[in-house]
Amino acid sequence: NAGVMQNPRHLVRRRGQEARLRCSPMKGHSHVYWYRQLPEEGLKFMVYLQKENIIDESGMPKERFSAEFPKEGPSILRIQQVVRGDSAAYFCASSPPGLADPYEQYFGPGTRLTVT
Amino acid sequence: AQRVTQPEKLLSVFKGAPVELKCNYSYSGSPELFWYVQYSRQRLQLLLRHISRESIKGFTADLNKGETSFHLKKPFAQEEDSAMYYCALSGSSNTGKLIFGQGTTLQVKP
Repeated sequence: NAGVMQNPRHLVRRRGQEARLRCSPMKGHSHVYWYRQLPEEGLKFMVYLQKENIIDESGMPKERFSAEFPKEGPSILRIQQVVRGDSAAYFCASSPPGLADPYEQYFGPGTRLTVT
Repeated sequence: AQRVTQPEKLLSVFKGAPVELKCNYSYSGSPELFWYVQYSRQRLQLLLRHISRESIKGFTADLNKGETSFHLKKPFAQEEDSAMYYCALSGSSNTGKLIFGQGTTLQVKP
């Protein structure tokens, strides 16, 4: 089991461009979480998804950010019209199906987004 | 508001010395608390959680509801304990949402 995969590991975008971050959960996991880590800060929850459903998006900025987890393929975090303040490390985590232990989360290596 | 505070950005100790990484939280209900660790060039991983009451790699943490604290302790630090440590709190929705502190870098000197 390769663990949670994220790509790209590093992404550079100019202001105004779009950023797409991908997360492939661990095999057999159907819950995906996205967290953002700004410089000098801890991880901040953004969104929790199950296949084809957004369960909790209380941490997502209201504009420009969206997330999906389709039936097939990886989860995508999309940031439109990026600004310098979006520069951060974005982490994805996954957990097994069922809500018995949603806190048993396995983290990916992160994607470091730099907006120039 | 739900919040986790780790007051120290950096904690530096010598090998063999006791370690205590501080974590305080703010939460209105009955929280579940966790410690995550990130070793150099590795992924963030769960170290321990208060409900399991386990000792992992010699680390323990006790939930003190009166002081709203969940400090991480180890009696004798090892060089391989050097890492970034994050305290985290479960959100109220039971959806797996974790609220993290800012993290403390533990540096164990030889």
